Amino acid sequence: DIQMTQSPLSLSASVGDRVTITCQASQGITKYLNWYQQKPGKAPKVLIYDASNLETGVPSRFSGSGSGTNFSFTISSLQPEDIATYFCQHYASLPPTFGPGTKVDIK
Amino acid sequence: QVQLVQSGAEVKKPGASVRVSCRSSGYTFSHYAIHWVRQAPGQRPEWMGCIGAANGNTEYSQHFQDRVTITRDSSASTAYMDLSGLKSEDTAVYYCARSYGLLVILFTHWGQGTLVTVSS
Repeated sequence: DIQMTQSPLSLSASVGDRVTITCQASQGITKYLNWYQQKPGKAPKVLIYDASNLETGVPSRFSGSGSGTNFSFTISSLQPEDIATYFCQHYASLPPTFGPGTKVDIK
Repeated sequence: QVQLVQSGAEVKKPGASVRVSCRSSGYTFSHYAIHWVRQAPGQRPEWMGCIGAANGNTEYSQHFQDRVTITRDSSASTAYMDLSGLKSEDTAVYYCARSYGLLVILFTHWGQGTLVTVSS
């Protein structure tokens, strides 16, 4: 199985700050990488697919980049409603696996 | 709009089996795949397997070692996940999720989740 790691596992930032999360795959996954946001008690919601494509309806302050084994996810200007846990997920091969998540809160 | 509605919470004893259902609406059921993903408290989501709604082809995670079976009833636009030999470690929220295919695994829509508690 391809292992996914994320950094940091938690962060605290101020409203308006730029926030970046990194995700690393244990082997190359080209661009088969998605990012999800999960709020407590809710199912995950896809924000970014195929590393850098913004899902329809998702605010443009969210973005993603990367390919191969190293990826990043950015919130350009953190908003109060962005408090959540963010997961990366690959689908380069079965089984698809998720990163451990990064918990984001407001300072 | 697209909706996936799951069956209600379950409490089971170790060694028992559980079935969770996922009824789809708002789209053509046979055009997509349904995946099952579980999430233990405070943990990352874990993929269990999937079924192609058109042909019933399935893929499973080896982690579950033949304990999981996924089926579908196309006439009812419903997918089912059966998990046998339950252990306390199977306590989790179980989600169904829709994707474009068995291997194009982008979960665009999710069910509300079903809490399965395994306890003696």
